[in-house]
Amino acid sequence: SYELTQPPSVSVSPGQTARITCSGDALPKKYAYWYQQKSGQAPVLVIYEDSKRPSGIPERFSGSSSGTMATLTISGAQVEDEADYYCYSTDSSGNLWVFGGGTKLTVL
Amino acid sequence: QVQLVQSGSELKKPGASVKVSCKASGYTFTSYAMNWVRQAPGQGLEWMGWINTNTGNPTYAQGFTGRFVFSLDTSVSTAYLQISSLKAEDTAVYYCARTYCGGDCYLDYWGQGTLVTVSS
Repeated sequence: SYELTQPPSVSVSPGQTARITCSGDALPKKYAYWYQQKSGQAPVLVIYEDSKRPSGIPERFSGSSSGTMATLTISGAQVEDEADYYCYSTDSSGNLWVFGGGTKLTVL
Repeated sequence: QVQLVQSGSELKKPGASVKVSCKASGYTFTSYAMNWVRQAPGQGLEWMGWINTNTGNPTYAQGFTGRFVFSLDTSVSTAYLQISSLKAEDTAVYYCARTYCGGDCYLDYWGQGTLVTVSS
């Protein structure tokens, strides 16, 4: 089965840059997507197709992908950005979708 | 506006069945596939699979075959997740999520989640 690997936690001070990585063997050929999930809420898409930002998502959220690793960057992280972040992508066949294990971002 | 509204929390005994509904509005139901995602308490998101809302054909992820069934009632724009022979480890929040396909396909809108608790 296909797996996406994320660090369990990332911690930054307010105003610093947070980077959350996601590694997977199919990422060189498949897009990565990033979801933010705050406590008790449904996930919200923050980055799609590696680096595109949906309307309504602050500009401090950006994404990139190189080789087998995708990265979500939050430039000037705010306290309200504290959440779990999940990457999401598909295996090389395009038939099996999977979430990464999630990264808890702490901003304090 | 697009909305996915799920049915309320359920408390079931081991061995029972449960059916979770996801009612869509604000778009043409049969134009977008529907996915199901599980989140056990304190755990991450698990993609369970998806159902083609045109054909009704389901695709199940590994680990979600046999006891899990996706179905539709297109007349009321509703997708269903049925779980049979419930076990304690099925306790989780279950989300429905719409697939949007532009350049690629991904989950854009999500339901609010339905908590299923399995306990004797």
